[in-house]
Amino acid sequence: NAGVMQNPRHLVRRRGQEARLRCSPMKGHSHVYWYRQLPEEGLKFMVYLQKENIIDESGMPKERFSAEFPKEGPSILRIQQVVRGDSAAYFCASSPIGGPYYGYTFGSGTRLTVV
Amino acid sequence: AQSVTQLGSHVSVSEGALVLLRCNYSSSVPPYLFWYVQYPNQGLQLLLKYTSAATLVKGINGFEAEFKKSETSFHLTKPSAHMSDAAEYFCAVSDRGAGGTSYGKLTFGQGTILTVHP
Repeated sequence: NAGVMQNPRHLVRRRGQEARLRCSPMKGHSHVYWYRQLPEEGLKFMVYLQKENIIDESGMPKERFSAEFPKEGPSILRIQQVVRGDSAAYFCASSPIGGPYYGYTFGSGTRLTVV
Repeated sequence: AQSVTQLGSHVSVSEGALVLLRCNYSSSVPPYLFWYVQYPNQGLQLLLKYTSAATLVKGINGFEAEFKKSETSFHLTKPSAHMSDAAEYFCAVSDRGAGGTSYGKLTFGQGTILTVHP
């Protein structure tokens, strides 16, 4: 049973480009969470999604960031017009039922570098 | 809002020595509490979790943590450090929602980097 798959592992974008980060949850998991880890900091919650629904986006920046989890396919975190401050590691986690109590599995992350 | 404080961004111990990583939380209601470990360039792996069944929680790799409500603490310990324990450790909390189910998100501490010397 494959774990949470994130791709790409590393992504380099020039300022102003778009970044698309993908997350395929574990089999049987229908809840997905995105976190951002800035250098020298802990992980910060961004968004919580179920299939076709955004449950909690309280941690998402108001502009340029969006997330989706379609009925088919992986969850996508999209960053438009990237800036240097977006450079970070972005982690996805999934769970079978809402919340970490029931088993929250993290992917290995996508490391975004904006040049 | 929930918050988590990890005292000490770096902890260094000798192989075989006691490991103690400190975590304090702020919450009006005891939350669910977690410790995760992160090895370089990898994702987070769950070490253990407190969900109110027992105040002393045993996890993987010989780690354990004790929930102390009076001190709002959830410190992580291991009696004897091993070189393979060198990593970054994160304490995290989750809201305890209605009916005992947790809300979706975790709030993480800043992390503690553990170094183990031979």
